[in-house]
Amino acid sequence: DADVTQTPRNRITKTGKRIMLECSQTKGHDRMYWYRQDPGLGLRLIYYSFDVKDINKGEISDGYSVSRQAQAKFSLSLESAIPNQTALYFCATSDSTTDTQYFGPGTRLTVL
Amino acid sequence: GENVEQHPSTLSVQEGDSAVIKCTYSDSASNYFPWYKQELGKRPQLIIDIRSNVGEKKDQRIAVTLNKTAKHFSLHITETQPEDSAVYFCAARKGAAGNKLTFGGGTRVLVKP
Repeated sequence: DADVTQTPRNRITKTGKRIMLECSQTKGHDRMYWYRQDPGLGLRLIYYSFDVKDINKGEISDGYSVSRQAQAKFSLSLESAIPNQTALYFCATSDSTTDTQYFGPGTRLTVL
Repeated sequence: GENVEQHPSTLSVQEGDSAVIKCTYSDSASNYFPWYKQELGKRPQLIIDIRSNVGEKKDQRIAVTLNKTAKHFSLHITETQPEDSAVYFCAARKGAAGNKLTFGGGTRVLVKP
């Protein structure tokens, strides 16, 4: 079945380290998103991309950067991780003709 | 930008009772309102949605209602079952299909047997 996958699924890192979270999809969708989930704050959009050459900031992009290496791959980087970036990170995909977003399994990131 | 507020943040109901979750949105241009369900340890999944040209939509035990004038929409779950226990997120979108969503803060629903 076509799916959205994320690696790693869990990561513990230290303050100041650079870390990359990766997302891949086999759904053939053109649109990809990175969200952060914190208790009580819902899903907040970090960055989104409507195609390989289109990258947009979301509501909480500070401290993060992204790369869309191909239609199927969208990576999120934390250049210098800090403890308040400890959260559950989700990648999602959709296409331009429908509204349904399909989420990956999530990456639990802990910054010590 | 759009702001979506969701209430309550937690909801405990007895099995068989109904549950209602309410969301308000700020941008009157929003025209699409989905609801996602996230079971414990799982990824969010779309369960139902409604567009601005419709006032109500039902799918078995779940229904959504939309009041465009008041800028609020609600999720109704009837005859709740233990498998309804999850976190529910509302969201809003404006513009064309496929545009970004703005999510509410989520509601944790616990159905007690």
